[in-house]
Amino acid sequence: DIVMTQSPDSLAVSLGERATVNCKSSQNVLYSSDNKNYLAWYQQKPGQPPKLIIYWASTRESGVPDRFIGSGSGTDFTLTVSSLQAEDVAVYYCHQYYDAPHTFGQGTKLEIK
Amino acid sequence: EVQLLESGGGLVQPGGSLRLSCAASGFTFSSRAMTWVRQAPGTGLEWVAGIGGSGGWTKYADSVRGRFTISRENSKNTLYLQMNSLRGEDSAIYYCARGVTADTIWYLDVWGRGTLVTVSS
Repeated sequence: DIVMTQSPDSLAVSLGERATVNCKSSQNVLYSSDNKNYLAWYQQKPGQPPKLIIYWASTRESGVPDRFIGSGSGTDFTLTVSSLQAEDVAVYYCHQYYDAPHTFGQGTKLEIK
Repeated sequence: EVQLLESGGGLVQPGGSLRLSCAASGFTFSSRAMTWVRQAPGTGLEWVAGIGGSGGWTKYADSVRGRFTISRENSKNTLYLQMNSLRGEDSAIYYCARGVTADTIWYLDVWGRGTLVTVSS
């Protein structure tokens, strides 16, 4: 199985500042035939189900603010929140869908400093 | 409005069985692959099983293969997860989630609110 490792486990950032979450996969998730990275990001707030925010590593889901930016390729990926807002407090998960069984990172808890 | 509504969770003894259901509405159910994802209390997400839009293929996590069976009834817009030989480590919130095509799950664009399964004597 592909192992997804996120860093850090938790992160405290001041309002308006940048937050960066990293995700590393144990195997390449870039599919050569379509040149797409099979990597998504989800946001989970307390008591709620996860919400898709980024797919194909860098495509924002409809309705997601443009302060959420996904980047990276191959085995190393980053989710950046360019200017942290109070409503962004949540746990963020990366997810590889390159190979079954799909796997998630352990999560990164993002808080306000 | 697209919705997924899970049901069937509850308290079950170790070794017991439970069947979860997920009622879908607001989209053409057969046109989407579907998955079950679980989350033990206070922990992260674990992909459990997936099924194609026609039910023609299924995939499982190693931790549940041989004990859990995913299925669907497209005429009823319903996804199922039959769970047998349950263990304490199966205790979790079980989410139903929608894939993006009939043939592939890829990323999960709609999630239900989940149903809680507790395995304990």
